[in-house]
Amino acid sequence: AQSVTQLGSHVSVSEGALVLLRCNYSSSVPPYLFWYVQYPNQGLQLLLKYTTGATLVKGINGFEAEFKKSETSFHLTKPSAHMSDAAEYFCAVSERGNKLVFGAGTILRVKS
Amino acid sequence: DTEVTQTPKHLVMGMTNKKSLKCEQHMGHRAMYWYKQKAKKPPELMFVYSYEKLSINESVPSRFSPECPNSSLLNLHLHALQPEDSALYLCASSQNPLATGYNSPLHFGNGTRLTVT
Repeated sequence: AQSVTQLGSHVSVSEGALVLLRCNYSSSVPPYLFWYVQYPNQGLQLLLKYTTGATLVKGINGFEAEFKKSETSFHLTKPSAHMSDAAEYFCAVSERGNKLVFGAGTILRVKS
Repeated sequence: DTEVTQTPKHLVMGMTNKKSLKCEQHMGHRAMYWYKQKAKKPPELMFVYSYEKLSINESVPSRFSPECPNSSLLNLHLHALQPEDSALYLCASSQNPLATGYNSPLHFGNGTRLTVT
């Protein structure tokens, strides 16, 4: 069965600094991988997804993630953090069985 | 604005009440989902409807009863809930069911914040 581990339940960065949110997955087949963002009192919004093809995927709001099969990782990055990026971020994996399994989430705090 | 609409946004109900949560999407998606999210936790899958048929029930207690009247609507009927059922209930949809192998991401509504007293 697939699983997702997000390293760090809280990450704090300064405005303008690099954002790096870590995600490692476990899957018995090539997975579909997703990053979602959740702002307070809202649902989840898709940031980006990896299915096949190019391993570096670009998403909305300047975020991107790189699929590294050898490291079973799908880390999320953004070159320069904005205050509006403060939210909770979830990495998720699907093995095409109608189930999307989420990691525990990482709360990103952006300091001015 | 989200393309998946959930009503009501907030609901407070007693343990003997019967209420329903509603979800609507007009994107032509053929799979719809109910998730439960407790505070500071990730969403947990409850039910999946694929082409208007229930395809997954994650061993959810019978006090939660899903219904999919048509391809655009999804309901969650609630009866005799417990205080520990208080949570954010999220509805989602995807263009194709994940099991078909398509890379259809889930689109989420903003949820219903349920409080059981």
